[in-house]
Amino acid sequence: DTEVTQTPKHLVMGMTNKKSLKCEQHMGHRAMYWYKQKAKKPPELMFVYSYEKLSINESVPSRFSPECPNSSLLNLHLHALQPEDSALYLCASSQESPPGKGGYEQFFGPGTRLTVL
Amino acid sequence: AQKVTQAQTEISVVEKEDVTLDCVYETRDTTYYLFWYKQPPSGELVFLIRRNSFDEQNEISGRYSWNFQKSTSSFNFTITASQVVDSAVYFCALSEKSGNTPLVFGKGTRLSVIA
Repeated sequence: DTEVTQTPKHLVMGMTNKKSLKCEQHMGHRAMYWYKQKAKKPPELMFVYSYEKLSINESVPSRFSPECPNSSLLNLHLHALQPEDSALYLCASSQESPPGKGGYEQFFGPGTRLTVL
Repeated sequence: AQKVTQAQTEISVVEKEDVTLDCVYETRDTTYYLFWYKQPPSGELVFLIRRNSFDEQNEISGRYSWNFQKSTSSFNFTITASQVVDSAVYFCALSEKSGNTPLVFGKGTRLSVIA
């Protein structure tokens, strides 16, 4: 099973709302990632979790709060977002956790299309 | 610093034509990994291939083939007899063994296959 699932598929929220994005994988991967992708751009890395610990935070604003409750689940909590945060949010997982190791392919979920009004 | 360049922003071909997507990379590491991903309109990135820097063998998988040349720092992707379902954005990506960024993507090439 090489599937990463993400919910919801679409999300519309106001700037004062609090919402969460969810990601799940059952491949036994110990590294999980959040990416943000704007239209016609490549994915931009936001966070990396390695063995359920946050290992990389790419200077993401605090209105995005990641959480890794266990090795299969990854959440992204959203609060007080701005319209410019509207994007496709992709979750991925891989066998190993860079940096220093890595080189394993990342498997991506279908993404959550977020619109902030 | 690691960098991936996909010079072709958009390509249009007629169905059954062959098409090559170019990828040039920069890295100081001797150990690194190269990838190709496909992103159809639905949005999910689909993993296509992984190559490590010590394996310069070209690879063929059905209508897909990859040409890895360390001498020119290139990892090009050819689709033979293209089909409409090949229409997507294709990303080349690089991962360095000692790098801090897990995966560096190129800007992508949008391929349109016209029936």
